[in-house]
Amino acid sequence: QVQLVESGGGVVQPGRSLRLSCAASGIIFSNYVMHWVRQAPGKGLEWVAVISYDGSNKNYVDSVKGRFTISRDNSKNTLHLQMNSLRAEDTAVYYCARDVRMDVWGQGTTVTVSS
Amino acid sequence: EIVLTQSPGSLSLSPGERATLSCRASQSVSSSYLAWHQQKPGQAPRLLIYGASIRATGIPDRFSGSGSGTDFTLTISRLEPEDFAVYYCQQYGNSFTWTFGQGTKVEIK
Repeated sequence: QVQLVESGGGVVQPGRSLRLSCAASGIIFSNYVMHWVRQAPGKGLEWVAVISYDGSNKNYVDSVKGRFTISRDNSKNTLHLQMNSLRAEDTAVYYCARDVRMDVWGQGTTVTVSS
Repeated sequence: EIVLTQSPGSLSLSPGERATLSCRASQSVSSSYLAWHQQKPGQAPRLLIYGASIRATGIPDRFSGSGSGTDFTLTISRLEPEDFAVYYCQQYGNSFTWTFGQGTKVEIK
């Protein structure tokens, strides 16, 4: 059974850091492009970051460039998102998703940036 | 960056009716790289259609996608109660970036 499980969300003050993780099971993790997508409260989906199957290529939405870093550990079937210099507008549910088509999604982890 | 604009923003229909959702791109999108996702309240999104017209695994045939270039359509032929949700179009891969439309909410009339 293919499954993605996010963790690491929580409440954090503006300017602080948080690291999200996404554990994959039931798939050959290293075969797939992986994404982070977020959804602010009451808003639509926003693509945040992508990493190629081997980690050699990465890209980000402009609003997080220089603050967020996506990475992966194929030996542990795990995707990460290091979020630094967090802002109130980063408050959202963060999902990881598999493949260029985003054909499998995790259940999401909530990040709240508030003083 | 490719901007996707969905219309209408919301649609009020009755079960059994046909729903037609539009997604317009700011520049041409390869049909291979256009997808539709469904999201119900409190749930993660689910892939419905990829490659503009290919149903994902397990998706009923009442869902169909069409279009090319800058204009794409998701059609639900006969709405079932479980189809009332928010639908997002998405383009993928252009310059290794992905974008979503703002969503269309299909509501029960």
